[in-house]
Amino acid sequence: KAGVTQTPRYLIKTRGQQVTLSCSPISGHRSVSWYQQTPGQGLQFLFEYFSETQRNKGNFPGRFSGRQFSNSRSEMNVSTLELGDSALYLCASSLGGALGYEQYFGPGTRLTVT
Amino acid sequence: KQEVTQIPAALSVPEGENLVLNCSFTDSAIYNLQWFRQDPGKGLTSLLLIQSSQREQTSGRLNASLDKSSGRSTLYIAASQPGDSATYLCAVPASGTYKYIFGTGTRLKVLA
Repeated sequence: KAGVTQTPRYLIKTRGQQVTLSCSPISGHRSVSWYQQTPGQGLQFLFEYFSETQRNKGNFPGRFSGRQFSNSRSEMNVSTLELGDSALYLCASSLGGALGYEQYFGPGTRLTVT
Repeated sequence: KQEVTQIPAALSVPEGENLVLNCSFTDSAIYNLQWFRQDPGKGLTSLLLIQSSQREQTSGRLNASLDKSSGRSTLYIAASQPGDSATYLCAVPASGTYKYIFGTGTRLKVLA
């Protein structure tokens, strides 16, 4: 069974640009969560989607948005990039539906903002 | 508000030693707790998931315990190997949500 895949793996952008990251969950998984990981703040929750609906959102500005498609694939978008957005962005998938399912993470997208 | 703490922040041990990593959480009303390992620059690999009704889970040389009443979980690694060197993270869902709160991790180095 294929794991969680994220594309692209590496990205370099300039301040003020926007970026879209993609996440394909494990087949059959309907929940996708996104996290930002930085050396200073650790892993912070961005948002979680299940069946195309956002169920929870973390404390990030509105520049961070996401969506989920009917095939459970998810994208997150960051507009007007800032230097502080440089981070490893991780997505995780689970069967979803209810709490208690194991989360499986992808390899991440390393975003560098210059 | 759920907070997760991991102690120690870093640990260096000789190969073959048994070791214990600690995870503490402030809100005992958790649904489950999951342990992960992360190699430098990589994603997270799930190690063990403990449901709130369970006291422990085992996988190979790893054993995780959960004590909800005291807000603690431990990850026991038996007969450590250099390949165990990584950062170990624990995570719990914030009460009633699908938002997982992560600890800051324990960076483990096993010396050959």
